[in-house]
Amino acid sequence: GENVEQHPSTLSVQEGDSAVIKCTYSDSASNYFPWYKQELGKRPQLIIDIRSNVGEKKDQRIAVTLNKTAKHFSLHITETQPEDSAVYFCAASTQAGTALIFGKGTTLSVSS
Amino acid sequence: GAGVSQSPSNKVTEKGKDVELRCDPISGHTALYWYRQSLGQGLEFLIYFQGNSAPDKSGLPSDRFSAERTGGSVSTLTIQRTQQEDSAVYLCASSYQATGTEEQYFGPGTRLTVT
Repeated sequence: GENVEQHPSTLSVQEGDSAVIKCTYSDSASNYFPWYKQELGKRPQLIIDIRSNVGEKKDQRIAVTLNKTAKHFSLHITETQPEDSAVYFCAASTQAGTALIFGKGTTLSVSS
Repeated sequence: GAGVSQSPSNKVTEKGKDVELRCDPISGHTALYWYRQSLGQGLEFLIYFQGNSAPDKSGLPSDRFSAERTGGSVSTLTIQRTQQEDSAVYLCASSYQATGTEEQYFGPGTRLTVT
């Protein structure tokens, strides 16, 4: 079935460093790739998304890159801050174009 | 405006009992999704509703799980004869349409504990 693999499962960085989270997907028909951030005890919230017709998208300190040929996409956070500490989930749309298949999440810890 | 709401926020039940979890989507959103989040795991898709179309039930883990959406708004997820492995946070999300390329807005979740 459709699958999304996410790495690493945990990531610890110093404040100001960059953080990179990588995901691979199995369904070549996937065309939408959102990233959600879930702070402890809170609901997931969309932070950035990318569609298959572009290779990169940036929003201030966060950026996402997509390689459709290799079926992988990555989240890049620059100049990390303690408030970036959270669990980050990548996701890919399904062939039916309705539900999302999520990765297992990356717990990012930013220490000051 | 009001976001997605879910009730109850926490539910403790005994093994073998039935439970009902409720989701109120954002007004005007036609698509509604249920996910399950087990400890340390990602978001597991369970079921989705889009308008009056037949729901996509492909993610339901067993026939003990069912869901309905009345009047295209409120949805109820029912788990019959609960098992300990059903313990998880159940998240509901809604989006304006189910195009697969729209932001899904999540509710706060219901934490289910089966003892």
